[in-house]
Amino acid sequence: KAGVTQTPRYLIKTRGQQVTLSCSPISGHRSVSWYQQTPGQGLQFLFEYFSETQRNKGNFPGRFSGRQFSNSRSEMNVSTLELGDSALYLCASSRGGLAGYNEQFFGPGTRLTVL
Amino acid sequence: DQQVKQNSPSLSVQEGRISILNCDYTNSMFDYFLWYKKYPAEGPTFLISISSIKDKNEDGRFTVFLNKSAKHLSLHIVPSQPGDSAVYFCAAKAPGTASKLTFGTGTRLQVTL
Repeated sequence: KAGVTQTPRYLIKTRGQQVTLSCSPISGHRSVSWYQQTPGQGLQFLFEYFSETQRNKGNFPGRFSGRQFSNSRSEMNVSTLELGDSALYLCASSRGGLAGYNEQFFGPGTRLTVL
Repeated sequence: DQQVKQNSPSLSVQEGRISILNCDYTNSMFDYFLWYKKYPAEGPTFLISISSIKDKNEDGRFTVFLNKSAKHLSLHIVPSQPGDSAVYFCAAKAPGTASKLTFGTGTRLQVTL
């Protein structure tokens, strides 16, 4: 079974631009979560989508947004990029049930550099 | 507000010895705790988890211990192998938020020959 894929793997943008990252979950998984990883901060939760609806949200500014399509693929968008947005952006997919714990499978990430 | 903390950024252990990675948390509502391993240029991979109603979970060479009164968990790797060299993240989730994980900052484990 194919794993979680993320495109592109690397991206260089300049301040003020916007960017869209894509994530394709494992087949059959309905939940996609996004995380930002920066040095010294670990992974920080951005948001989770389940059945095309945002189900959970982290503490990030409104410049960070996302969406999920009917095939469970997800995109996240960052507008008006800042230098501090340079990070590894990871997406994770799971079956999405609310009871107990759903094992999350992570993609390899998109490395975003903002100049 | 760092609810999950890994105070040791790095750890070096000899092959064959025990590796102990530590994690502290502040939110007593967390109901599951997990450990993930991450190699460079790859996403984190799930290693082992423990429910808050248990104090120990074992899977092969990996054992996780949970001390709820101290709000502390640890991951023991015995025996350590060179392939275990990676960054280890501790994570926790609260009830009703099945896919939202709160991560620590990670501990880089180096297993030397």
